[in-house]
Amino acid sequence: GAGVSQSPSNKVTEKGKDVELRCDPISGHTALYWYRQSLGQGLEFLIYFQGNSAPDKSGLPSDRFSAERTGGSVSTLTIQRTQQEDSAVYLCASSLAQGRLSNEQYFGPGTRLTVT
Amino acid sequence: AQKVTQAQTEISVVEKEDVTLDCVYETRDTTYYLFWYKQPPSGELVFLIRRNSFDEQNEISGRYSWNFQKSTSSFNFTITASQVVDSAVYFCALERNTGFQKLVFGTGTRLLVSP
Repeated sequence: GAGVSQSPSNKVTEKGKDVELRCDPISGHTALYWYRQSLGQGLEFLIYFQGNSAPDKSGLPSDRFSAERTGGSVSTLTIQRTQQEDSAVYLCASSLAQGRLSNEQYFGPGTRLTVT
Repeated sequence: AQKVTQAQTEISVVEKEDVTLDCVYETRDTTYYLFWYKQPPSGELVFLIRRNSFDEQNEISGRYSWNFQKSTSSFNFTITASQVVDSAVYFCALERNTGFQKLVFGTGTRLLVSP
């Protein structure tokens, strides 16, 4: 079946502009995650959505970052007034989260964001 | 605090050599999960293994094996008879058993396997 998809695959933007990154999770997966991978760094958790619960936003680095998930499916990560340090690969993942049980997260190919 | 350390930034081996990727973690939780993911040049992370903290048995899957030792907080990954296709960045990750399944990742180890 279809995996996690993300768009665009690459985005170049000028400093100060807003960008929107999209994630389509695997159908039926109730949990959705956003991570950021900066050059030479590991993956940094940003935000987590689980069903209709309030999202866990504890990883968002600043108030310029926000995300929403409409209808429990597609998610959009928005970065306002982009800065050069926002340049990174933004990865989305989804899983069949089942309460406290762990399930592997399936990752999308990522969006490479370059802020010039 | 949750932390994962992968001290090896990059490892280079020649095909057919065995290679071990180290992972050391820190957590105060008694129940947690450990993962390994592979990130090939295409960029998409591929799940390799999930291990519950209560299960310390070593696991083997083909050329891959994992050694989990709670006493040293380590979860090392060995590739036997490495192949060029194993070239990738490998991430170790820790997940708390809290229902909020966010992963804490190490910084990754880049493995280069040359012919």
